[in-house]
Amino acid sequence: GQNIDQPTEMTATEGAIVQINCTYQTSGFNGLFWYQQHAGEAPTFLSYNVLDGLEEKGRFSSFLSRSKGYSYLLLKELQMKDSASYLCAVMDSNYQLIWGAGTKLIIKP
Amino acid sequence: DAMVIQNPRYQVTQFGKPVTLSCSQTLNHNVMYWYQQKSSQAPKLLFHYYDKDFNNEADTPDNFQSRRPNTSFCFLDIRSPGLGDAAMYLCATSRDRGGANEQFFGPGTRLTVL
Repeated sequence: GQNIDQPTEMTATEGAIVQINCTYQTSGFNGLFWYQQHAGEAPTFLSYNVLDGLEEKGRFSSFLSRSKGYSYLLLKELQMKDSASYLCAVMDSNYQLIWGAGTKLIIKP
Repeated sequence: DAMVIQNPRYQVTQFGKPVTLSCSQTLNHNVMYWYQQKSSQAPKLLFHYYDKDFNNEADTPDNFQSRRPNTSFCFLDIRSPGLGDAAMYLCATSRDRGGANEQFFGPGTRLTVL
């Protein structure tokens, strides 16, 4: 079966750095997405990786290793507004998105 | 601003009473999706349309139906809502399938079943 694993919850301090990991097993691979979802709101797109390596976008970076079935989202200079769930999603060989359940990130002052 | 709009934002219905949720988009995207998301769970794809081509997920209950009368609009019909259907329903669009086609989400409709 297809599976996306990410930690259920993480806690970090304002101003610090946090890394949210995602491992996946899917039927084929056509890219990995990270989305941010604030409580009660819709997901918003953060990043897309299809080749191995690091993609940097401001305070957020996303890394992919296809051979290991592994990605991480790195958030720097954490702000209180970064408190949200972060969802990892993989596009499989049928171009369907397989979603993880999300990692709830709690930022403390 | 180009966007995905969902109405209503909150919907309350009674057990067994049909309900229709609507979604519209001004992005002129080819693909539209309906997801069901329950608290602390991954979004679950119910249907998607590639233009007029309808794709039903294998495990979507028959209780759920969908219509896409034109490029801009898509509807989700729940024929006989049960208590287990209470959830957030998310509409999303993408320019095309595959590759780096990110999905753009509407704000969602939160359905309560009494």
